[in-house]
Amino acid sequence: DAGITQSPRHKVTETGTPVTLRCHQTENHRYMYWYRQDPGHGLRLIHYSYGVKDTDKGEVSDGYSVSRSKTEDFLLTLESATSSQTSVYFCAISVAGDSQPQHFGDGTRLSIL
Amino acid sequence: RKEVEQDPGPFNVPEGATVAFNCTYSNSASQSFFWYRQDCRKEPKLLMSVYSSGNEDGRFTAQLNRASQYISLLIRDSKLSDSATYLCALHRGGSQGNLIFGKGTKLSVKP
Repeated sequence: DAGITQSPRHKVTETGTPVTLRCHQTENHRYMYWYRQDPGHGLRLIHYSYGVKDTDKGEVSDGYSVSRSKTEDFLLTLESATSSQTSVYFCAISVAGDSQPQHFGDGTRLSIL
Repeated sequence: RKEVEQDPGPFNVPEGATVAFNCTYSNSASQSFFWYRQDCRKEPKLLMSVYSSGNEDGRFTAQLNRASQYISLLIRDSKLSDSATYLCALHRGGSQGNLIFGKGTKLSVKP
């Protein structure tokens, strides 16, 4: 258990509303990641972080922003949600470094109507 | 060739069968390789890392073929509980140090 908690676990919201997903880890790991998983696309990296206030874009970052003001929390924000952002969102951490295996949280199922 | 490619399956096998999955990749600079297991509506979980010399964990064997740029996962004596989707993952290499995942291969083990 990598000590990762995602919240909320499920959310339904309307197009145009802001949404923030939280990833919380208890073990002080430096590397954190946000993915989305969709049928036919697999896991795709949205944003990642190498430490407090050190974040970078992944392959599908448009429409998303992140913040990491504390080591333990990595927030993903959809500023104005669209139906195309309906997905399952996973947070992950890397215990031993960026090229090492990642461990995932339970996921957040987000539906945007 | 796509960065990483897996046969989506499904692979339908009887209990006790041996089944193998491959995952091909295009970036020869990739250095780290992994297999994950994902159950329906659950998060991916690390199954095993893949080492150059090959490695085994019980009924599971992972191998890396750098010359042909693929990794493989062999499952012996399949159990009903092995039914899941198996994802390969590899380090992109170069300066962008993060993992890229295959879309997964679905395995269904039948009684």
